[in-house]
Amino acid sequence: NAGVTQTPKFQVLKTGQSMTLQCAQDMNHNSMYWYRQDPGMGLRLIYYSASEGTTDKGEVPNGYNVSRLNKREFSLRLESAAPSQTSVYFCASSGGAKTQYFGPGTRLLVL
Amino acid sequence: GEDVEQSLFLSVREGDSSVINCTYTDSSSTYLYWYKQEPGAGLQLLTYIFSNMDMKQDQRLTVLLNKKDKHLSLRIADTQTGDSAIYFCAESMNTGFQKLVFGTGTRLLVSP
Repeated sequence: NAGVTQTPKFQVLKTGQSMTLQCAQDMNHNSMYWYRQDPGMGLRLIYYSASEGTTDKGEVPNGYNVSRLNKREFSLRLESAAPSQTSVYFCASSGGAKTQYFGPGTRLLVL
Repeated sequence: GEDVEQSLFLSVREGDSSVINCTYTDSSSTYLYWYKQEPGAGLQLLTYIFSNMDMKQDQRLTVLLNKKDKHLSLRIADTQTGDSAIYFCAESMNTGFQKLVFGTGTRLLVSP
């Protein structure tokens, strides 16, 4: 099992460009999540999908959109990137209440 | 509201015990977690404790929960250089679907 995979690992964008971060899990989990991690702020929830076909806003959704493509895949889209979106983005999945499994992260720099 | 706080930094010597502390504000939390993040990697679950427990021990790790003070701690016995990482505590209020609130993380540095 690969667990949770994310692509790309690194990305540099110019202000105003768009991109999609991809996430896939092979654990048959119902729930998937997108977080951003900034220094001194821990992880903040951007969007989540409690089950296939549903998505909901988290703590910091502005400037992002998501798609739960199927049970395995949950993508995060930046329509018009801003320097404030420079961060490390983590995808996670969970099959119940006890734990979330995290991907390795995508490091995004917006110039 | 939900808020989880941790001290930012802890430095210990190899072989000593480390104690990382966390305070949370939501008394309805059902599970409390400790995650470890090594440089350049994602978060890895270390251990968790259910809110009706006071203590949980797992090899070198001991979790203590004081519900009255809303205080959670992680003790690492015989700390090794490989334990150097950022440690996050997190709380969850839902039992069927997990929505976590993370602390800011404590960077543990273990020196030889």
